[in-house]
Amino acid sequence: DTAVSQTPKYLVTQMGNDKSIKCEQNLGHDTMYWYKQDSKKFLKIMFSYNNKELIINETVPNRFSPKSPDKAHLNLHINSLELGDSAVYFCASSPLGTSKNIQYFGAGTRLSVL
Amino acid sequence: SQQGEEDPQALSIQEGENATMNCSYKTSINNLQWYRQNSGRGLVHLILIRSNEREKHSGRLRVTLDTSKKSSSLLITASRAADTASYFCATDNAGNNRKLIWGLGTSLAVNP
Repeated sequence: DTAVSQTPKYLVTQMGNDKSIKCEQNLGHDTMYWYKQDSKKFLKIMFSYNNKELIINETVPNRFSPKSPDKAHLNLHINSLELGDSAVYFCASSPLGTSKNIQYFGAGTRLSVL
Repeated sequence: SQQGEEDPQALSIQEGENATMNCSYKTSINNLQWYRQNSGRGLVHLILIRSNEREKHSGRLRVTLDTSKKSSSLLITASRAADTASYFCATDNAGNNRKLIWGLGTSLAVNP
């Protein structure tokens, strides 16, 4: 049973295309995140939703749009893909109601823009 | 944005040796966490230490926290080849919006 699952695992596409990455968690958590990890393994928070409400929106191009249909899902849509978007994108979740904020990560989606 | 810093950036040791990684941060924290990332995988939480704790153990892991120096260390004792991974520290800052501040990671190679 995968706790945080992302699809697809690999995504290869041309510049200018629009693509989506899906994330689902079955942990019952209230908060979900999208991170971008570059080739140097630098981990950058992009967005966070708490019970479908956007709570973190870092300086990310508006070509990136998160959508949370319910608290178990947080999808990431990217318009007009650019070469610099190539990276590994991680979804994560954490439970509310605890002071610990331990995050649980998906396996990642490796995006290659050609 | 604020980032924690780990050192060393890369560490190569022999199986059976101990590995020590350090993390420094900049602001007041609620807790500090260490995560492991195996190659091609997601991050996995290892251990959390609260701001009022100085030392924590979990199996072969030992974490220390010095809030006066804003630093933490992760010690892995009797390392195994399976410990080869990248290790990240992350701080949960006081008054934050559930955002963790991540370090740049230490890449650990344990040679058999």
